[in-house]
Amino acid sequence: AQSVAQPEDQVNVAEGNPLTVKCTYSVSGNPYLFWYVQYPNRGLQFLLKYITGDNLVKGSYGFEAEFNKSQTSFHLKKPSALVSDSALYFCAVFGGYQKVTFGTGTKLQVIP
Amino acid sequence: GAVVSQHPSRVICKSGTSVKIECRSLDFQATTMFWYRQFPKQSLMLMATSNEGSKATYEQGVEKDKFLINHASLTLSTLTVTSAHPEDSSFYICSASWSQGEDSPLHFGNGTRLTVT
Repeated sequence: AQSVAQPEDQVNVAEGNPLTVKCTYSVSGNPYLFWYVQYPNRGLQFLLKYITGDNLVKGSYGFEAEFNKSQTSFHLKKPSALVSDSALYFCAVFGGYQKVTFGTGTKLQVIP
Repeated sequence: GAVVSQHPSRVICKSGTSVKIECRSLDFQATTMFWYRQFPKQSLMLMATSNEGSKATYEQGVEKDKFLINHASLTLSTLTVTSAHPEDSSFYICSASWSQGEDSPLHFGNGTRLTVT
């Protein structure tokens, strides 16, 4: 069975500072990993994905994520946080078309 | 990019009435759509998988007679909450993918906030 863990319910970071939102996964076989962002009362927006290739994946809005196979992690990062980045972030693992597992979400609060 | 439209965005209904939520893929055909429910400060819970032209597949614990799903075309799936009760109040989100490949991201509607009074 596949699983995703987001160990932090909330991450606070000052505007302009780098941010990291953590995600670890457990799958059998090759992982297909995704990050989504959700703003209040909205659906989820796709940020980026890792399928294969470079371990550092670049996505929308300046976000990137680093895939680490040995640590089974896929942490989301951004070099300089914006107040507008404040939202709920979900890590997800896809294990086949109908096998999508989401993490519990991490609320990112960027402090002006 | 792929767009999924969900309507209405917000609905308030009285206990005992039924509410229909629509999910449309605007620029692609979706043979499969997914319906989720999200509780406050919690992750998404997959309710059911909607398959065009066939019956939906419900997750364990989801009442299929209460949450009716119809996927009549390749671009439209509907979720009807029948005889709604206050405990059905929640945020409902649909999603779809234009491909069945594992590397294709799901695209989500903007969700429907249902409040049952």
